[in-house]
Amino acid sequence: DGGITQSPKYLFRKEGQNVTLSCEQNLNHDAMYWYRQDPGQGLRLIYYSQIVNDFQKGDIAEGYSVSREKKESFPLTVTSAQKNPTAFYLCASSMDDKQSPLHFGNGTRLTVT
Amino acid sequence: AQKITQTQPGMFVQEKEAVTLDCTYDTSDPSYGLFWYKQPSSGEMIFLIYQGSYDQQNATEGRYSLNFQKARKSANLVISASQLGDSAMYFCAMREPWVSGNKLVFGAGTILRVKS
Repeated sequence: DGGITQSPKYLFRKEGQNVTLSCEQNLNHDAMYWYRQDPGQGLRLIYYSQIVNDFQKGDIAEGYSVSREKKESFPLTVTSAQKNPTAFYLCASSMDDKQSPLHFGNGTRLTVT
Repeated sequence: AQKITQTQPGMFVQEKEAVTLDCTYDTSDPSYGLFWYKQPSSGEMIFLIYQGSYDQQNATEGRYSLNFQKARKSANLVISASQLGDSAMYFCAMREPWVSGNKLVFGAGTILRVKS
């Protein structure tokens, strides 16, 4: 079955450590996205990529980094520079046209203490 | 500036009744797409329905329909015959291909609770 896989589901880190969240898709989608969700709030865009080896900052990119070396993969690194990293992180992919919905992974809940 | 506004933080509806979740948007892009997603307590995001800015008819998908009023810039989601499983967070989202590179911008969401 095609889909988006995010791993791990839960992640715990100490403050000051970088952590990388995995996102893999086998839907052959061109575009991939990372969103952050805080409790009771909407989704905010961190980074997105419309093509391999290219990506753009979203609304809250500070303290995060990404890479897009393969079409299937779009890992997100939460660096120690991110002031409030504890959140629910959602990865998504879509065909790169305005009609195509985003398909989401099941998310990674990151807790930094 | 707020692109997507969902003014109802929370809504209650009686089982089997219809409910309307409000969404207004702001854009200068003549070509845009509007989406509704459902997020149950498990956290997954489920795509419900899509409306294109040039679509002549309101979109429908099973019990979901979209009341699209372009002049008012509103795209309200109507859920008919509510079920207990409809209890979830609902998000309205917009894509503006020309203005902002095809990314999807989300509203703050509305929590819907269906009462038995």
